[in-house]
Amino acid sequence: ETGVTQTPRHLVMGMTNKKSLKCEQHLGHNAMYWYKQSAKKPLELMFVYNFKEQTENNSVPSRFSPECPNSSHLFLHLHTLQPEDSALYLCASSQDGRAEAFFGQGTRLTVV
Amino acid sequence: GENVEQHPSTLSVQEGDSAVIKCTYSDSASNYFPWYKQELGKRPQLIIDIRSNVGEKKDQRIAVTLNKTAKHFSLHITETQPEDSAVYFCAASNSGSARQLTFGSGTQLTVLP
Repeated sequence: ETGVTQTPRHLVMGMTNKKSLKCEQHLGHNAMYWYKQSAKKPLELMFVYNFKEQTENNSVPSRFSPECPNSSHLFLHLHTLQPEDSALYLCASSQDGRAEAFFGQGTRLTVV
Repeated sequence: GENVEQHPSTLSVQEGDSAVIKCTYSDSASNYFPWYKQELGKRPQLIIDIRSNVGEKKDQRIAVTLNKTAKHFSLHITETQPEDSAVYFCAASNSGSARQLTFGSGTQLTVLP
């Protein structure tokens, strides 16, 4: 499927594990985002990358580490997570200066 | 920063009836208000948006109204169909850029056949 693709779709990890989430966009956008979606809570913006440079970090714990090697790829590296970090992690992209965000289908993360 | 409140959190309507979801925002500088629809297991997708220079916008069975004075905006869905069942998110931005979007907590709409 074209657009914004996230892998894996589901991930179960222990609190001592290290894993990475991957996002790829095929839309030619220059801004990419990580959001956290928890049940009955607003979408929480975690990180923003614009032209590969991180422009925002909304007080996210250091156990979440983003990486943006180019304008088409975005990673979220995870280590020593807590059970409360279990959520749907959504990647999105947009063309800077445009308002519409295009979302991936998300990675359902469960921390055990 | 911006704060967006969305109500109700759940809404059930009979097929064919109308559904209304309301959001309020706190930042008077916000000027762009999109609505996203997220079907079960799928990605959020933009369904309609409105800018602060317009009071109402319609797209077939979907309409959005904006009251800048009261700082609230609403999504109206008429003649609801089962495929309208989803979670709907409102959002607000003060820059017209996706980077500044603040989302509401979502409304689970269920259309009963």
